[in-house]
This record gives sequence, C-alpha cells and structure tokens, in this order.
Amino acid sequence: DSGVTQTPKHLITATGQRVTLRCSPRSGDLSVYWYQQSLDQGLQFLIQYYNGEERAKGNILERFSAQQFPDLHSELNLSSLELGDSALYFCASSVGDPTGNSPLHFGNGTRLTVT
Amino acid sequence: GENVEQHPSTLSVQEGDSAVIKCTYSDSASNYFPWYKQELGKGPQLIIDIRSNVGEKKDQRIAVTLNKTAKHFSLHITETQPEDSAVYFCAASVYGGSQGNLIFGKGTKLSVKP
Repeated sequence: DSGVTQTPKHLITATGQRVTLRCSPRSGDLSVYWYQQSLDQGLQFLIQYYNGEERAKGNILERFSAQQFPDLHSELNLSSLELGDSALYFCASSVGDPTGNSPLHFGNGTRLTVT
Repeated sequence: GENVEQHPSTLSVQEGDSAVIKCTYSDSASNYFPWYKQELGKGPQLIIDIRSNVGEKKDQRIAVTLNKTAKHFSLHITETQPEDSAVYFCAASVYGGSQGNLIFGKGTKLSVKP
C-alpha cells in the first residue's frame, strides 16, 4: 500500500458532464501530481501542486482543472467530458523537498468511463 | 521537452531467465531515472531508481544501469519469477526543487512463464 488514497475507484458518466476526482496524499507529502493513463498514450503528466500552489503543468486540457487544499488533499475536475477522456487517472505524492530526493508514490487510480 | 523511448513493448521469458528492458531519453538535463512496476488494477509502484551521478544500482534481483553519454538506461531482472509478471515503466525527469514531474516510457509487458 502506497499510502495515497484515490476516490472513487470507478466513475461512469455521460458526454458533456463534469466529474471530480479526489486524492489524499501520503502523510507528510507536500507535492501532489496527477497523471492520465490511456492505452495508446501511456502515462501522461497533467499537473503538479506543491503545498497548495501550482508548480508544474503538463498536457492538461483547458477543460480540466485541479487544486490542492490547505489539508493537502487534491481534486481534479474534468468538465465537458468527451469519449476520449475515458482513461485511468492517477494521483501521486512526494515529499517534494528542495533537494529533490523524494520519489513519487502512486495511488491505485480512478477509472473514468465516458459513455 | 523530454521524450522517453522504451523497448521492447512486450517480453516473454521462462522462469529463472533474465529480463532486460531498455530506455532512451532525449533531454541531457535529466538526472533522475526511476522504474515502476504496475500490476493489474493497481497504480505504478517504484521498484528502483538511479540518479545521474551513479552508473549502476542493484537491489537483490533487480539492477539498473545508466549511460549518460548515450542517454540510455536499462532494467535488469535476474532469476525471474511468475510474480515478476507485470507492466514495467521507465521514466526520466530533471529532479530538483519541487518540480519532479516524470516523463514515462510507454511500458513493457513482462510475462514470466513457469
């Protein structure tokens, strides 16, 4: 068990809808990362937060947004959903210390199916 | 930006044999190279990592080698067991400060036949 908790495990929704994915990082970790995993694209980095602030942005669509709250949990919001958004969404956390000596630990993901 | 290529995409070995997975990266500034194992229905799990100031690292049956000049790194699994069957991902990043976003290879599905 990595210590990273993601809810829900599965989500089925219709095109055009909006969903929220939730992540609780490991105790003590300040950084949260979101990744999308699809069959043809592999693991794609979406966005990183460090102690409540956005720190790095990857291939995140404008329809997607995220935030990290004062208690360090994070939410990924996906809106105007399209069939192509169906994928596994992973959250990872790390200590995020300035020396950079902290590996990422992944949760078990949320499987999103858009119908 | 960084690009990571991983080969092969599938690998089948007999139990007890060795398995080797290779990755190349494009950004010479990358200095952190982890390997993850993903089992069905689970998230990627870190199994070993190496930093650019080290050429090789071993942990029991698993070893990783890094050639900075050629910009490639490899995962070696010796004495493979059926429980090693999973998808393995290599990744690279410029590790420093609070920015540690990893760029992943597309994965290698390893099957170990008993």
